[in-house]
Amino acid sequence: AQTVTQSQPEMSVQEAETVTLSCTYDTSESDYYLFWYKQPPSRQMILVIRQEAYKQQNATENRFSVNFQKAAKSFSLKISDSQLGDAAMYFCAWGSNYKLTFGKGTLLTVNP
Amino acid sequence: GAVVSQHPSWVICKSGTSVKIECRSLDFQATTMFWYRQFPKQSLMLMATSNEGSKATYEQGVEKDKFLINHASLTLSTLTVTSAHPEDSSFYICSARGDGSEETQYFGPGTRLLVL
Repeated sequence: AQTVTQSQPEMSVQEAETVTLSCTYDTSESDYYLFWYKQPPSRQMILVIRQEAYKQQNATENRFSVNFQKAAKSFSLKISDSQLGDAAMYFCAWGSNYKLTFGKGTLLTVNP
Repeated sequence: GAVVSQHPSWVICKSGTSVKIECRSLDFQATTMFWYRQFPKQSLMLMATSNEGSKATYEQGVEKDKFLINHASLTLSTLTVTSAHPEDSSFYICSARGDGSEETQYFGPGTRLLVL
């Protein structure tokens, strides 16, 4: 079975600084997708960034970027210039055959 | 784009009654819809996957007679919690994906169910 591990239950960052959230996964498949979703206090799940496993180039979306290391099965999220609105629970997810497997999440606090 | 709505956002019901939750894709056709359950401070647990016009596929341990899922159109799926009990109280979230090959799921805002 596929597993997704987020080893940091909680993280904090100062406003305007950079933070990296860790995620590792275990799979024997070669074709899959990886995602980061954020869940703010409203509990709405919001897609932050997506990476196709066959692409070597790391995905970026404005202040959000990933470090995808396929051989190491690692998929970390870097948030640059952190803003108060980035405070949320962040879930890493692995997807294949139209199903997602989620990690347990990392609660990010942004300090003013 | 890729907006998913859920209704109601909050529901309180008496034990033994049934509750229906609707999930709609507003600006795309959802080939597949998913229903998740989330307990406080925990991750999302997939309950079932539904494709338009066919029976839902339930995850192991999820009672299909308890959680009835209907996916009657490409924009609407419903989850009915039958004979609800207090232990069914939870946050239920639906998601939908389009007909492309990518795996991205877009999530609804969730429904909080409280069974008294």
